[in-house]
Amino acid sequence: NAGVTQTPKFRVLKTGQSMTLLCAQDMNHEYMYWYRQDPGMGLRLIHYSVGEGTTAKGEVPDGYNVSRLKKQNFLLGLESAAPSQTSVYFCASSYWDSTDTQYFGPGTRLTVL
Amino acid sequence: AQKVTQAQTEISVVEKEDVTLDCVYETRDTTYYLFWYKQPPSGELVFLIRRNSFDEQNEISGRYSWNFQKSTSSFNFTITASQVVDSAVYFCALINAGKSTFGDGTTLTVKP
Repeated sequence: NAGVTQTPKFRVLKTGQSMTLLCAQDMNHEYMYWYRQDPGMGLRLIHYSVGEGTTAKGEVPDGYNVSRLKKQNFLLGLESAAPSQTSVYFCASSYWDSTDTQYFGPGTRLTVL
Repeated sequence: AQKVTQAQTEISVVEKEDVTLDCVYETRDTTYYLFWYKQPPSGELVFLIRRNSFDEQNEISGRYSWNFQKSTSSFNFTITASQVVDSAVYFCALINAGKSTFGDGTTLTVKP
């Protein structure tokens, strides 16, 4: 099992550009999450999904959109990137719900110039 | 709103010393879950422990042990006989339905 994978690992964008981060899990987990981690801080929840076709807002959803068209994939989109979105993005998944153990991907380091 | 405080930003110890990482949380919920994750220099997040609010038993796993005290809203993590490989950022997290709150992390450096 690959667990949770994220694509790409690194990306540099210019302000105003758009991009999509892909998260994939092969553990048949129902719940998936997107977090961002800024220097010296813990993770903050952006959006999460409780199952295929459903998404919900987390703590810091502004400027991001998500989609869960397939159970194993969770996409995070930035429509118009801003320098404030420079961060490391982590995807996670869990079997039951958010209180179940969350397993994390390796992270995507995004820089917006 | 819920909150997790890891007051120790950085800790430095010499190998074989014992070290305790503090975690204090705030929540109004009666049912919640506490976690510890390790983030080594490679950057990934490694799950260490999950504890629910109704289980105050302390836990030991090898050199790691956890002390959960609801009376003081604390969930502290102790590494016994620390090793260089324990060097990492450690995060405490409070998670309940729809809410995930992570502390800012404690950077542990273990020197040989």
